[in-house]
Amino acid sequence: DAGVIQSPRHEVTEMGQEVTLRCKPISGHNSLFWYRQTMMRGLELLIYFNNNVPIDDSGMPEDRFSAKMPNASFSTLKIQPSEPRDSAVYFCASLPSGSYEQYFGPGTRLTVT
Amino acid sequence: AQSVTQLDSQVPVFEEAPVELRCNYSSSVSVYLFWYVQYPNQGLQLLLKYLSGSTLVESINGFEAEFNKSQTSFHLRKPSVHISDTAEYFCAVTRSSYKLIFGSGTRLLVRP
Repeated sequence: DAGVIQSPRHEVTEMGQEVTLRCKPISGHNSLFWYRQTMMRGLELLIYFNNNVPIDDSGMPEDRFSAKMPNASFSTLKIQPSEPRDSAVYFCASLPSGSYEQYFGPGTRLTVT
Repeated sequence: AQSVTQLDSQVPVFEEAPVELRCNYSSSVSVYLFWYVQYPNQGLQLLLKYLSGSTLVESINGFEAEFNKSQTSFHLRKPSVHISDTAEYFCAVTRSSYKLIFGSGTRLLVRP
């Protein structure tokens, strides 16, 4: 099993540009999470999907952030327009039904200049 | 509301010495507790978990943690650390299957 796959691994962009982060969860897992990790705020849950449906998006910072899960094998997190304070490592994680163990991807390091 | 406190941001220790990474949580109801490890430039990996039953849980690489309800703690211990244990360790708590609340992390630095 390839594990959770995230792309790109690194993204450098200028303020104001649109950024799209991608995630492929582990096959068969029915829950997907997007987290953000920064030095100041640690690990924060941004949004949680169950069976492709957004269940909890209370952690999404503001309207500039949006997430979609069009099917069970793909999710995107979009930031438009990006700002320097969005610089962070963004993790995707998936969870099989009935389990408490979340499997994390390697993360995308986003730098907004 | 639940919260997790990891008081030590960094713990330096010599190789083969014992180590304890502290974790305290606050919750008025029963919770599930986890330790995750993050190696440099990687995602988080589950190290061990307490869901129910025995209060002492162990990982395959020699770490153990003990759930102490009266002290609301879930400290992580290893009797003899290796250089390869150098990583950041996160304690996490949840009441549900999905909303993990993470502590701020403890960086374990093992020196030769």
